[in-house]
Amino acid sequence: GAVVSQHPSWVICKSGTSVKIECRSLDFQATTMFWYRQFPKQSLMLMATSNEGSKATYEQGVEKDKFLINHASLTLSTLTVTSAHPEDSSFYICSARFRIQGYEQYFGPGTRLTVT
Amino acid sequence: SQQGEEDPQALSIQEGENATMNCSYKTSINNLQWYRQNSGRGLVHLILIRSNEREKHSGRLRVTLDTSKKSSSLLITASRAADTASYFCATDADKIIFGKGTRLHILP
Repeated sequence: GAVVSQHPSWVICKSGTSVKIECRSLDFQATTMFWYRQFPKQSLMLMATSNEGSKATYEQGVEKDKFLINHASLTLSTLTVTSAHPEDSSFYICSARFRIQGYEQYFGPGTRLTVT
Repeated sequence: SQQGEEDPQALSIQEGENATMNCSYKTSINNLQWYRQNSGRGLVHLILIRSNEREKHSGRLRVTLDTSKKSSSLLITASRAADTASYFCATDADKIIFGKGTRLHILP
């Protein structure tokens, strides 16, 4: 089946630095990609939706200048956490939607970000 | 935004018993999905039920959907220690929104 990968799987960075997370769809071209954030013992919160070649649509309360999303191709989306702070430490999960028979959505394995 | 609400938030049962988790949501959906997540790990897709379906089975899993009440339930029969995890319902309209989840603990 379709596979979505994320890189890196975990990252530790210092406060004030920026971190880029990649999300790739390996088998299919994704019509849409989604980014979620999950804090410990909580559920996944949708951060933004992006379509290839267009600006991402951010959910209410998500700072678009802090969480930069680039969807340069149908197989790659990146999330950059700018000027990271310890409160940005979280599990970030991307998801890609494919049009195969109808629309199917697959999730990546997640990236654990720790900001020190 | 978060649409689904799971009930209960946490559930502990003895191995071999059945576990039932409920999910309520607010708006129209195309389908509803259930996922499992072990602590600190990624999501595992369990089952998808479409809006025109009422019940679906997969192994020890049984999912129901009542669109008139905007609710779904997940039943795990004959629970095992390996079923210990968090379970999330997720509604799919044009994007997938997760509920708050149920933490299931199977006691040996």
